[in-house]
Amino acid sequence: NAGVTQTPKFRILKIGQSMTLQCAQDMNHNYMYWYRQDPGMGLKLIYYSVGAGITDKGEVPNGYNVSRSTTEDFPLRLELAAPSQTSVYFCASSRKNTEAFFGQGTRLTVV
Amino acid sequence: KQEVTQIPAALSVPEGENLVLNCSFTDSAIYNLQWFRQDPGKGLTSLLLIQSSQREQTSGRLNASLDKSSGRSTLYIAASQPGDSATYLCAVSRELGGQGNLIFGKGTKLSVKP
Repeated sequence: NAGVTQTPKFRILKIGQSMTLQCAQDMNHNYMYWYRQDPGMGLKLIYYSVGAGITDKGEVPNGYNVSRSTTEDFPLRLELAAPSQTSVYFCASSRKNTEAFFGQGTRLTVV
Repeated sequence: KQEVTQIPAALSVPEGENLVLNCSFTDSAIYNLQWFRQDPGKGLTSLLLIQSSQREQTSGRLNASLDKSSGRSTLYIAASQPGDSATYLCAVSRELGGQGNLIFGKGTKLSVKP
């Protein structure tokens, strides 16, 4: 069972570069989320989506963009990478008010 | 603003001991509360989900309780094993506007010594 799949697993970016973190789920979940996890800080919500074509900002959206053209995919875009975006990024999905399933994470370093 | 606190931040116990992890939240207007396990360098694995109308959930050696009015949840682990060593996170979903946001605590790092 694939569940939530994130790519890449690791990435090093130079300051000012751009990249897209990919997230796909095969459980037909309407809700999808992007979180970042920093040491000692817990997980913070970046963006979320309640269905195809609908996205909304979370707690820490600055410097990121998302799109949701299909139910399955929810990519996260970093336009101008900054050292403050060094973090582990997690994608998750769920049905409404049910348990959330997480991907394995993308470890991003900006140098 | 909803805040989730987990105490203790770290816990070390000998194998076989029963233990309790604590989670508290400031706003009782939640849809549900979820306990996760995270192994080093890995993603989060859902352990138990308690809906706001429920008092507890059980899965194997794990039992989670929820007291919504007092803003507290506990995760009870019976007969702990070295394989239980991981970071345990609790998260609450807010009630208004649908499940758009899971608010996480910072976790309790559990170490079970053989």
